[in-house]
Amino acid sequence: KAGVTQTPRYLIKTRGQQVTLSCSPISGHRSVSWYQQTPGQGLQFLFEYFSETQRNKGNFPGRFSGRQFSNSRSEMNVSTLELGDSALYLCASSYRGGRSTDTQYFGPGTRLTVL
Amino acid sequence: AQTVTQSQPEMSVQEAETVTLSCTYDTSESDYYLFWYKQPPSRQMILVIRQEAYKQQNATENRFSVNFQKAAKSFSLKISDSQLGDAAMYFCAYRSPLRGGSQGNLIFGKGTKLSVKP
Repeated sequence: KAGVTQTPRYLIKTRGQQVTLSCSPISGHRSVSWYQQTPGQGLQFLFEYFSETQRNKGNFPGRFSGRQFSNSRSEMNVSTLELGDSALYLCASSYRGGRSTDTQYFGPGTRLTVL
Repeated sequence: AQTVTQSQPEMSVQEAETVTLSCTYDTSESDYYLFWYKQPPSRQMILVIRQEAYKQQNATENRFSVNFQKAAKSFSLKISDSQLGDAAMYFCAYRSPLRGGSQGNLIFGKGTKLSVKP
């Protein structure tokens, strides 16, 4: 079974631009969560989507948004990029079927550099 | 709010020896999940082991085992017979159970960088 895939793997943008990152979950998985990883702040939760609805949101400004499609694929968007948005963005998927299937599996990440 | 603390920023182990990584957490919940994830230099986060708080028995996955002390809120990872491929950042993570339509996000510690010496 293929793992979580994220595109693109690397991205370079300039301040003020916007960016869209994509995540395809493991086949059959219905929940997608996004995390931001930086050397200073570590791993921080952005948001969680299940059945095309945002179920949970971390403490990030409104410039960070996301959505989920009917096939469970998810995108996140960052508008008006700032230098501090440079990070590794990780997507994780899970089945959401019950206690034993609640584990989140991560993709390889998208490395975003803002110049 | 829940917090996760990994007090060892870096650790080193000789190949074939055993190493234990520490993790403590703070929560007022009685039901939750705990995880250890491994992130090698290639950056792909890999699940190492998971523990459900209601289970008394410590989880084991081949050379990896945990020492889960619920009362002490401690969740350490033991790696036996260390291999060169075990070198990575190890993250301890906490998650609440399903609630109100949300699966609950992972709360991570800052990580422990493990080096394995040949």
